[in-house]
Amino acid sequence: SQELEQSPQSLIVQEGKNLTINCTSSKTLYGLYWYKQKYGEGLIFLMMLQKGGEEKSHEKITAKLDEKKQQSSLHITASQPSHAGIYLCGADYYNQGGKLIFGQGTELSVKP
Amino acid sequence: NAGVTQTPKFRILKIGQSMTLQCTQDMNHNYMYWYRQDPGMGLKLIYYSVGAGITDKGEVPNGYNVSRSTTEDFPLRLELAAPSQTSVYFCASRPPRTSGFNEQFFGPGTRLTVL
Repeated sequence: SQELEQSPQSLIVQEGKNLTINCTSSKTLYGLYWYKQKYGEGLIFLMMLQKGGEEKSHEKITAKLDEKKQQSSLHITASQPSHAGIYLCGADYYNQGGKLIFGQGTELSVKP
Repeated sequence: NAGVTQTPKFRILKIGQSMTLQCTQDMNHNYMYWYRQDPGMGLKLIYYSVGAGITDKGEVPNGYNVSRSTTEDFPLRLELAAPSQTSVYFCASRPPRTSGFNEQFFGPGTRLTVL
């Protein structure tokens, strides 16, 4: 969706390196979801951010929502092969009746 | 709780056939969603519902229909299947924002091939 842009589309990193995935919205967010998907499998909930400036962590994964609530970044520290997969951000907007849309996804490969 | 369940897991359809993908949740969530995921892509919202009797179009509704007669069930109907509808379909549900619980729960997906 053009309302929600995710970058990069794909990423290859060496094991142990840090990386960042970005999610940018054209409108102010009510909330921003981050999910991980292993190839051919279902979606794993990572975290949801709601307040401007909020930061949450899940193991070695940290996500932050900017003060304007239009951009979120997901940062992985010391990447491992187990981090490989597709990362998806999902947007919940004000005054849209519960509609929840997702970005195009970022495919992450971690080389041992 | 079983969470969000979807049936079938896999299905092959011929062009022009119809079918219904079933989705049930046992968490008493008012919001329910249908998404499709094409290979290497993100999720596209097909339809969603904010409660029994209320449905609304998402980003890619053409070729699909939904109904929501109960809180638990949200079936997705494909009429006149086309090869462009080959995809993995995910159903999801979540509680209202005021509940304080923020997770959107997903079903395991239905892999549909139209030949």
